[in-house]
Amino acid sequence: QLQLQESGPGLVRPSETLSLTCSVSGGSIVTSDYYWGWIRQSPGKALEWIGSSYYTGSSYYNPSLRSRVTLSVDTSKSQFSLKVTSVTAADTAIYFCARETYSGSHFDYWGQGALVTVSS
Amino acid sequence: DIQMTQSPSSLSASVGDRVTITCQASQDIGKSLNWYQQKPGKAPKLLIYDASNLRSGVPSRFSGSGSGTHFTLTITSLEREDIATYHCQQYAILPLMCTFGQGTKLEI
Repeated sequence: QLQLQESGPGLVRPSETLSLTCSVSGGSIVTSDYYWGWIRQSPGKALEWIGSSYYTGSSYYNPSLRSRVTLSVDTSKSQFSLKVTSVTAADTAIYFCARETYSGSHFDYWGQGALVTVSS
Repeated sequence: DIQMTQSPSSLSASVGDRVTITCQASQDIGKSLNWYQQKPGKAPKLLIYDASNLRSGVPSRFSGSGSGTHFTLTITSLEREDIATYHCQQYAILPLMCTFGQGTKLEI
């Protein structure tokens, strides 16, 4: 059974960089059939797609976040990562990692989510 | 950008009721529409993909329909365990882009 698990600091200071890692187990991250994506959910707001990476490292980003987000994949560790720079309180959210089908872009396996609070 | 409008934003129904949730796209998206169920404190779970395909293991009381700009998620006979928030998600392939609806909170 595929499992994804987010990890990283739960508290980030304003203007600093938010960094999260998603560890994949029970399946290979090296697959041509899937992307590896990040989605966030701010309190009381809709889910927001942040971006997705292929195992090769090629990535797609939500244009609204593109200037502050970097995605990467480490196949040797079966992990993929998210960095968001210059964070503000508006970046406070639950961050989910998920597996996304390559051909139809639906998210079929999700991590449990990691709450990140931006506060001084 | 494609906008997704879900309605209603909240809904109260009784066990056994037929429930319909609607998602409207701001432009034609074909069948590029997925539905998710999210229970409090949990990650979303995929129910329906490509507008009408039921994910394996999802109860058959869930169904999806629609194409173009208008989509519906139907629960034919509501069960108590269906209390959740439901989200639609549209996607484009090249370049890859995803947008979620605002969510519909379903209460019993």
